[in-house]
Amino acid sequence: EIVLTQSPGTLSLSPGERATLSCRASQIVTNTFLAWYQQKPGQAPRLLIYGASNRATGIPDRFSGSESGTDFTLTISRLEPEDFAVYYCQQYGTSPWTFGQGTKVEI
Amino acid sequence: QVQLVQSGAEVKRPGSSVKVSCKASGGTFSEYAISWVRQAPGQGLEWMGAIIPTLATANFAQKFQGRVTISADASTSTVYMELSSLTSEDTAVYYCASRPINTRYGMDVWGQGTTVTVSS
Repeated sequence: EIVLTQSPGTLSLSPGERATLSCRASQIVTNTFLAWYQQKPGQAPRLLIYGASNRATGIPDRFSGSESGTDFTLTISRLEPEDFAVYYCQQYGTSPWTFGQGTKVEI
Repeated sequence: QVQLVQSGAEVKRPGSSVKVSCKASGGTFSEYAISWVRQAPGQGLEWMGAIIPTLATANFAQKFQGRVTISADASTSTVYMELSSLTSEDTAVYYCASRPINTRYGMDVWGQGTTVTVSS
């Protein structure tokens, strides 16, 4: 199975700062089927990015995704208070689909 | 867009089974793959398996092979996940989530989650 390794585990930033989250895959992700999700306490995850770089419907343009081989990046250009949450990457190109272990973005 | 509504919380004894339902509405059932994802307390997300309801074919994470059954009832637009031989390590919130097939989209609609507690 494809193992996704996210870094860092925790990112401590302030509102207005830029956040850069990394997700490294153990092998090529088929069709670049790589998604990013945001999860807040007590809530279901929310899809932010699909296909490595496409924003899901209704997602603000401060969220962007990029890909270079087996390395994927989620960038939040200017953190808003509501962006402090846990972020997961997930590949859905090869079964079994797998998640990274998550990055917590905290104030 | 489809909406997913899951069944209510469950408390189960070790060694028993649990069956959680996920009812879809507002979309075309045949256009989605439905996954089950669980999250143990304080832990990350874990993909368990998925089904394309109209094909009735499911695949699973190796970890759950032989212990999980995912099925679908097209007449009621409902997907079921049954997990057997429960242990305390199966205590988690279980989510269903849909992904439009034949697209690049990820899992864009999630159920509200079902808490399963395994305790003697």
